[in-house]
Parts: sequence; structure tokens; C-alpha cells
Amino acid sequence: AQSVAQPEDQVNVAEGNPLTVKCTYSVSGNPYLFWYVQYPNRGLQFLLKYITGDNLVKGSYGFEAEFNKSQTSFHLKKPSALVSDSALYFCAVRDMGNYGQNFVFGPGTRLSVLP
Amino acid sequence: DSGVTQTPKHLITATGQRVTLRCSPRSGDLSVYWYQQSLDQGLQFLIQYYNGEERAKGNILERFSAQQFPDLHSELNLSSLELGDSALYFCASSLSAGSQPQHFGDGTRLSIL
Repeated sequence: AQSVAQPEDQVNVAEGNPLTVKCTYSVSGNPYLFWYVQYPNRGLQFLLKYITGDNLVKGSYGFEAEFNKSQTSFHLKKPSALVSDSALYFCAVRDMGNYGQNFVFGPGTRLSVLP
Repeated sequence: DSGVTQTPKHLITATGQRVTLRCSPRSGDLSVYWYQQSLDQGLQFLIQYYNGEERAKGNILERFSAQQFPDLHSELNLSSLELGDSALYFCASSLSAGSQPQHFGDGTRLSIL
């Protein structure tokens, strides 16, 4: 069965500093990997995805993520955090070869960027 | 704006009742997904439809059912409601059923009194 772990419930970072939100996954085949962000009282918004190819994926709002197959990780990064980046971040995985399964979302990590 | 419309935004009802949540997917998207988000369970996948056909099923209770109509809008029916069904229910849509990202609506907040 596929699963996603986000080991940190909360990440605090000062504005202007780099940020990392961690994600590890488990699938039996090759993964499709996604990051989403959720602001209060809103639905999730797509940030970026990894399907195949370059391990470094660039997405919306200056975010990027690095796929590491050996560590089964897909950490979200941003070189310089903004206060407006404060939100709930979800990592999601789907087993590429198994259409009977669907997206599995991690529990979410709350990012707080302090001014 | 994701292009996914969910109605109603808020719903307050009592235990034992039945409600219907509605979702209009983004224009051109054939796949619709339903999720339940609660504080203790996180985001749980319920069910997916693709072009009118059920494609995948997650942790959906037997009291819950869904369908996707020929115009591609979808409805989630919740019956014999219990206090524990109080949650945010999200609909998402995507172009296909594969690797495309999902686009989420802003959800329906269901409160059971």
C-alpha cells in the first residue's frame, strides 16, 4: 500500500531565510509526487509535481522540490521565505502503475514564517 | 480561483438526516474526486469518478454514495448522519485519471448538531 509521511507537524522559519518542508513516501512502483498548499477556509492549491525526468522540480510562488529515489523523499524548498507563505502544506503520492489506487495525502505540515 | 465550484459552502443539520453536496468541475476536466477533511483524520480520499464511471474507492462509508452525471457535475450523498460526519468535504477535478494535478474547490463545511 502507498503512504506518505510528513515528519514535522509544524515548521517555523524567519522571513528571508530558506525553508524546507519534508516528505517521505512509500509505493510499490514508481511514484507520482505532488505538493499542495492550503490557506485558511480554502481548498488545496497545486504547487508542483514530479512525474519523471529532472529530480529538481520548480513550481509556483518560487517553490521547488527535490525527488530522491534512494531516500524515497520529496522535500519542498524555497530559498527565501515570505510571511505570506504561512499555510498548511500537503505532500501527496500516487503509485504510477496502479490506477485502482488513488492519491494519498500526508497529514500536512503547518508552516509559519515569522516577520 | 480553481474553477471548481462546490455548493453549499456551509450546511448545518441534525443526526439521522440526509444531505447532498454538489460539485461542478473545472471546464474540460473529466475526473472528479471527493475528500473528507477533519482535524483528527486529516485529508481522506473518498471516491473518484472519471467521465461518469466510478474509478477508485477510498475510505467511503456505506452511508455515503456519489455519482457523476453526463454533464460531469458530481454529487456526494451522506445519509443517516452522525456527529462524527462533521467535517469539510472537498471536491477536486483533473483532466484525466492519471498524473494530472487535482484542482480543489473551497469545500462544503458540514456541521451535525
